[in-house]
Amino acid sequence: ELKVEQNPLFLSMQEGKNYTIYCNYSTTSDRLYWYRQDPGKSLESLFVLLSNGAVKQEGRLMASLDTKARLSTLHITAAVHDLSATYFCAVDRMNRDDKIIFGKGTRLHILP
Amino acid sequence: DADVTQTPRNRITKTGKRIMLECSQTKGHDRMYWYRQDPGLGLRLIYYSFDVKDINKGEISDGYSVSRQAQAKFSLSLESAIPNQTALYFCATSDLGLAGANGELFFGEGSRLTVL
Repeated sequence: ELKVEQNPLFLSMQEGKNYTIYCNYSTTSDRLYWYRQDPGKSLESLFVLLSNGAVKQEGRLMASLDTKARLSTLHITAAVHDLSATYFCAVDRMNRDDKIIFGKGTRLHILP
Repeated sequence: DADVTQTPRNRITKTGKRIMLECSQTKGHDRMYWYRQDPGLGLRLIYYSFDVKDINKGEISDGYSVSRQAQAKFSLSLESAIPNQTALYFCATSDLGLAGANGELFFGEGSRLTVL
C-alpha cells in the first residue's frame, strides 16, 4: 500500500528565512506533485516531477525528486508572508493502480 | 465559469439521509476523482474513474458510492449519511491520457458537508 508522509506538519518561520518541507513515499512512484492550498480555498498545482533528479523552480519555491530515496523536497528561499499556506505532496503510481495519494500537508505560517 | 464545478457548495443534513454531491467539468478530461479533506488528515481518495465504464475504489470508499454519468459528470453519493462523514469534499480531474499531459489534478472549489 502506498503511503505518503510529509514533515513537518506545521511550520512557523520568520520572513527572510530558508526552510525545507520533506515528502517521503513508501513504494516506487512515477510522478510526484506539489500543491498549495490557501485557507478556505481549493488546491492549486505548483510542480509536477517526473523523473529522478528532476528539479523545478518557481519564484521562491524549488522542488526536487530523488526516486531512489523515495524523497521529494520543497525548498523555500527567503520566505515572504504571501507564501503562508498549506502545502501537499501527492504521489501517482501510473500503470499500477493509478491512485493519486496525498500526504497530510504542511501548514506553513510565515511571520512578518 | 469554473472548469470543475461542484454542487452543492455547502450542505447540512441529518444522520440517515441520502446525499448526492455532483461534479461536472468542461476540461475534456477522462479521469475524475473524489477526495475528502479532514483537518490534520490531508486529502483521502474515495473513488476515481478513468472513463464511464471504469470506476475504482480509493482509500476510503466504504459508505460511499459513485456514478459516472458521462465523461463530464461524476457524482458521489452517501446512501445513509453519518456524522463522521462531515468533511470537505473535493472533485478533481486529470489530463493524463491526453497529448502533452503531465498528470496534475485540477480541483473544484469543494463541497462542505455537515451531517448532524
